[in-house]
Amino acid sequence: ETGVTQSPTHLIKTRGQQVTLRCSSQSGHNTVSWYQQALGQGPQFIFQYYREEENGRGNFPPRFSGLQFPNYSSELNVNALELDDSALYLCAAGAGGSDEQYFGPGTRLTVT
Amino acid sequence: AQSVSQHNHHVILSEAASLELGCNYSYGGTVNLFWYVQYPGQHLQLLLKYFSGDPLVKGIKGFEAEFIKSKFSFNLRKPSVQWSDTAEYFCAVNAGDNAGNMLTFGGGTRLMVKP
Repeated sequence: ETGVTQSPTHLIKTRGQQVTLRCSSQSGHNTVSWYQQALGQGPQFIFQYYREEENGRGNFPPRFSGLQFPNYSSELNVNALELDDSALYLCAAGAGGSDEQYFGPGTRLTVT
Repeated sequence: AQSVSQHNHHVILSEAASLELGCNYSYGGTVNLFWYVQYPGQHLQLLLKYFSGDPLVKGIKGFEAEFIKSKFSFNLRKPSVQWSDTAEYFCAVNAGDNAGNMLTFGGGTRLMVKP
């Protein structure tokens, strides 16, 4: 167990809709990162939050946005869903200054 | 920007065979290196990591990896695999001067161990 949970487990949305994915970690995990893992590929970094501020972003458009809350929970929001957004979305949490991150089980998003 | 390549997409071995999975990265500066494993239906787990010091690092479940700076490589090895090692393995890099913990992953190697 990593102490990182994600909800929901699976989600089906229609192209053009908006989606919110959630992540919860344990006390001491000041950083949270989100990754997108398309089928058959490695995870790709979307962005990271540290103490509720965005602290780095990968090559993803602005319709991917996030929030981090003081209670060690986090959200990933995706607007105007596209078919290519279908993937497993992973949340990873860690302590600030540490390079070890703990991954959640992921949310599988299917866009039809 | 850094990138990671894993040479083998699929590997099939019999139990007790030796394993070596290749990983090469491209980045000119200081790097931290990781191997993660994803067992079927489970979340990504850290197998081992290299930050500095002895380039031969030992991880959990009998895995080890060797950092060869001149070859930009961090290959994963295990002398004798078991059926329970069937999983997908990911090499990842974090630039040492990165302000955050951004990990760049390779495409993964799917290992199947036949009993």
